[in-house]
Amino acid sequence: GENVEQHPSTLSVQEGDSAVIKCTYSDSASNYFPWYKQELGKGPQLIIDIRSNVGEKKDQRIAVTLNKTAKHFSLHITETQPEDSAVYFCAASTRLGYSSASKIIFGSGTRLSIRP
Amino acid sequence: NAGVTQTPKFRVLKTGQSMTLLCAQDMNHEYMYWYRQDPGMGLRLIHYSVGEGTTAKGEVPDGYNVSRLKKQNFLLGLESAAPSQTSVYFCASSRTGELFFGEGSRLTVL
Repeated sequence: GENVEQHPSTLSVQEGDSAVIKCTYSDSASNYFPWYKQELGKGPQLIIDIRSNVGEKKDQRIAVTLNKTAKHFSLHITETQPEDSAVYFCAASTRLGYSSASKIIFGSGTRLSIRP
Repeated sequence: NAGVTQTPKFRVLKTGQSMTLLCAQDMNHEYMYWYRQDPGMGLRLIHYSVGEGTTAKGEVPDGYNVSRLKKQNFLLGLESAAPSQTSVYFCASSRTGELFFGEGSRLTVL
């Protein structure tokens, strides 16, 4: 079945440095790749997403790149700040048949810590 | 606008007991999902629904049942709870792609 692998599981970076999280997916039909941020005691929230017809997308300090041939995508956070400390999940999605719903499969998460 | 609301937020069960988790959304979303979150395993899809009256199995459906009798509600049931079902459960809803999550329900089965 579909599978999404995420690395690393934990990441510690100095404040102001960049952080990179990488994911690979198995289902070649996947066409939507969101990233979610989960703060302690909260549900995950979408921070950025990319669709399969785009190779890169940027939103301020956050960027995502997608390589469909290799079936991998990455999250890049530049100029990291203390509030970036959280658990980050990548996900891959395949449309469900006739509907526009998507079956979204998540990676195992990366706990990002920003050192002051 | 409350978004996605899950009840209860915490529950402790004994092995073999049954319970139902309720998810309610006020965004008129068609699609609703139940995930479980376990350490080191991310979020795994239990069941989902593409509309009122419809449900389907996700990655880890065994031991759970769901119902979507009303568009705004998605219920997750455990008929006979097992310690392996100790987890944090998240409900989510969506219209076109972005998932909106509730704050989670922490279930402990002793």
